[in-house]
Parts: sequence; C-alpha cells; structure tokens
Amino acid sequence: QVQLEQSGVEVKKPGASVKVSCKASGYTFTNYDISWVRQAPGKGLEWMGRISTYTGHTLYAQNLQDRVTVTTDTSTTTAYMDLRSLRSDDTAIYYCAISRSADYFQYWGQGTLVTVSS
Amino acid sequence: EIVLTQSPGTLSLSPGERVTLSCRASQSVPSNYLAWYKQKPGLPPRLLIFGASSRATGIPNRFSGSGSGTDFSLTITRLEPEDFAVYFCQQYGTSPRTFGQGTKLEIK
Repeated sequence: QVQLEQSGVEVKKPGASVKVSCKASGYTFTNYDISWVRQAPGKGLEWMGRISTYTGHTLYAQNLQDRVTVTTDTSTTTAYMDLRSLRSDDTAIYYCAISRSADYFQYWGQGTLVTVSS
Repeated sequence: EIVLTQSPGTLSLSPGERVTLSCRASQSVPSNYLAWYKQKPGLPPRLLIFGASSRATGIPNRFSGSGSGTDFSLTITRLEPEDFAVYFCQQYGTSPRTFGQGTKLEIK
C-alpha cells in the first residue's frame, strides 16, 4: 500500500532553515509527482510547490520561490522540502502529497510540525 | 492566481440531513480541474472528488460533486456522524494550485 512517511517535529529560530523529508513506499516512485502543502495552526491549506519525480522539474508558489527548494532522491525514494530564512508565520504543519496525471492528491504524508520561535 | 471562495464558513446540521457546500472561483478553472477534500482534526486531508464530479476511490456515493467554470458544489446526502469535518476545495488547473478557505460542518 502507498505510504508517505515524513520526518519528525522541528523547532527552529527565525532566520534558520528546515529540511523536511518524505519517504515514499508501496508504489513506483517515478510514477507520481510530489507536492508540498502547508497548514498554519487553525488555518487553511497552502500549496508550496511540486516536483516531477521523473524529470526533476520543479514549480513553486510565487510567494515562496525565493526561499523553498524541493528535491528528490530516487535511490531512496525520498523527497525533501527545504525552507530558508524562516519566519514566525512559517509555523505550520507541512505535508507531502503525491499526484499522477494532475495535481489532485489521493495520498498524503502524516504531516510534520515546524515551529519557528525565538 | 485563482482565488477560491467557499461558503458558508460554518454549517450546523444534524445527522441524516442533506447539505450542499459551495466553492466559487475568481476565474474559470481550466478543464474543471476542481477537487474536494475532507479534513478531520489532527489528520491530513482526504480526497473526495476530483475533476469536479469524479468520486475518489473508496468514497461513498452519498458524496457528489458538480459544477463547471467558476461555480462548483459538493453535496452530501444523509449526513453520517463521520462527515462532520472541514471541507476544502482545490483547483489544479493552473499554477499556483490554490485551496479554498474551508467550510466547517458541525453537529447541531
């Protein structure tokens, strides 16, 4: 069965960086693309960006493109989301999610809480 | 960027009732690439509907989606206790992918 296992809770100071991982299993890794979606406490969902696991092509939300990088390691079937210059309003649960032919998300990771606080 | 506006913000209903949630887009959603999700506290969203009207795998037929262009809706017939949650719409026809702000369905 498809599983997306994310890394654990992170606590960071403003200005730091965080790297969240998403280990995929139960399917052919390069058959699905990976997006990252975040959710601030008690708020809605925000799409951050995506990567084609087949070509490596990335697409980012314009408001984050200067601070976020999404990568994959096909040898370990793991995706990574790197967010730099963290601010307090980056405090959120970060989810990875996979999509096939179009970016609707059938499968999600369990989420990683990232707290940014001085 | 396509802005999705969901209404109402909160609905108080009883099990067994029928409900229709609305999602309005600021511009036409290409190819009606509109999805609906349900989210319970502490869990990731669960896909219900894609392509405006196609049910995802394992979703009961009391859930149905409709609409096109800028106006979309999700209907749940005969609410079950597990249906009380927050519902989000999402467009994936253009970048950035965007979500509505959510409609909370609560038990009256």
